[in-house]
Amino acid sequence: AQTVTQSQPEMSVQEAETVTLSCTYDTSESDYYLFWYKQPPSRQMILVIRQEAYKQQNATENRFSVNFQKAAKSFSLKISDSQLGDAAMYFCAYIPRNTGNQFYFGTGTSLTVIP
Amino acid sequence: NAGVMQNPRHLVRRRGQEARLRCSPMKGHSHVYWYRQLPEEGLKFMVYLQKENIIDESGMPKERFSAEFPKEGPSILRIQQVVRGDSAAYFCASSPPGLAGGFHEQYFGPGTRLTVT
Repeated sequence: AQTVTQSQPEMSVQEAETVTLSCTYDTSESDYYLFWYKQPPSRQMILVIRQEAYKQQNATENRFSVNFQKAAKSFSLKISDSQLGDAAMYFCAYIPRNTGNQFYFGTGTSLTVIP
Repeated sequence: NAGVMQNPRHLVRRRGQEARLRCSPMKGHSHVYWYRQLPEEGLKFMVYLQKENIIDESGMPKERFSAEFPKEGPSILRIQQVVRGDSAAYFCASSPPGLAGGFHEQYFGPGTRLTVT
């Protein structure tokens, strides 16, 4: 079975500080993609960052970076210099490369940014 | 290039009525995916369609739910005889045509929030 687990239902961070959101997944596939999506109150799904499993280098997008540990099946998101606009639900997602019809999403982490 | 469009954004139905949710994919995209997000949960896959074909409906409830993507016009997710448990946000995503099988980047629409009273 392919599952994605986010064990932190809620997190908070002080503005300008750094926060790390955790995600683990289970799969027997060797080639896949991992994503972090942001869902603000508007409910629009916004792609934050993407990682390809065959790439050892961790993906980075401005203040957002990931720590991808393939052997441990772990994919955490680090947000540096947190801003008020970062407050949202964050979903970790997985999709296999060769049979990539559907995303598997975690249950989300609600991030609060404290001014 | 306009993004994925969904309408209506909010839909209220009484128990037993029908709900029709529409999704217009991005220009040039021929693959459509529907996901459902129940309260306090992540998105769950329902169905994957290409023009005039259902490719994978493994996530669709067996009864009352159907989806289509006609040659012309938007994709429709139809829920007959709605019940309170159908209240959720329904998201559509689209992707461009490509090689058969394999991963295609999916672009999400803003979702339709269905409330059943």
